[in-house]
Amino acid sequence: NAGVTQTPKFRVLKTGQSMTLLCAQDMNHEYMYWYRQDPGMGLRLIHYSVGEGTTAKGEVPDGYNVSRLKKQNFLLGLESAAPSQTSVYFCASGARLAGGSYYEQYFGPGTRLTVT
Amino acid sequence: EDKVVQSPLSLVVHEGDTVTLNCSYEVTNFRSLLWYKQEKKAPTFLFMLTSSGIEKKSGRLSSILDKKELFSILNITATQTGDSAIYLCAVLNYGGSQGNLIFGKGTKLSVKP
Repeated sequence: NAGVTQTPKFRVLKTGQSMTLLCAQDMNHEYMYWYRQDPGMGLRLIHYSVGEGTTAKGEVPDGYNVSRLKKQNFLLGLESAAPSQTSVYFCASGARLAGGSYYEQYFGPGTRLTVT
Repeated sequence: EDKVVQSPLSLVVHEGDTVTLNCSYEVTNFRSLLWYKQEKKAPTFLFMLTSSGIEKKSGRLSSILDKKELFSILNITATQTGDSAIYLCAVLNYGGSQGNLIFGKGTKLSVKP
């Protein structure tokens, strides 16, 4: 099992460009998450999905869109990149165990995005 | 507003020292508290705590949760340079079916030889 993979690992964009980050998981997890991590800010939830075809906003959704067309993939899109979106982006997946609690979220290796 | 606060934000110790990292939280619909270790890449899972007063141990690391006082501690004994990392505390907020994690800002631990 590869676990959670992210593509690409690094990217540099110019202001106003668009791009899509791909997250894939092979653990058949129901839930998937996109976070951003900035120095001194911890991990902040951008969007999440509780199942195929569903998405919801997290703490910092503005400027991002997501789609979950297949259970194993969760895409994060930036339609018009801004320097404030320079960050490290982490995808995670998780599953609800019997009784309703999670064991953990599994994280991908991250994508370092720089917007100039 | 839900929040998770970790302290200290950074810590420098020498090999062999024992450290205690703190995590306090104010979260509605608390479900569990999780600790992660983050080195250069993705956070890796350490512990999940759901019940008060039950210590979880893994080698030199241990953690405990106090649901009355709303905090958790992570202890590392006989620290090694390989323990240098950012330690993240997160609370699982089980509202509805989201199961979202709310993260603290992390404690950066540096262990000097």
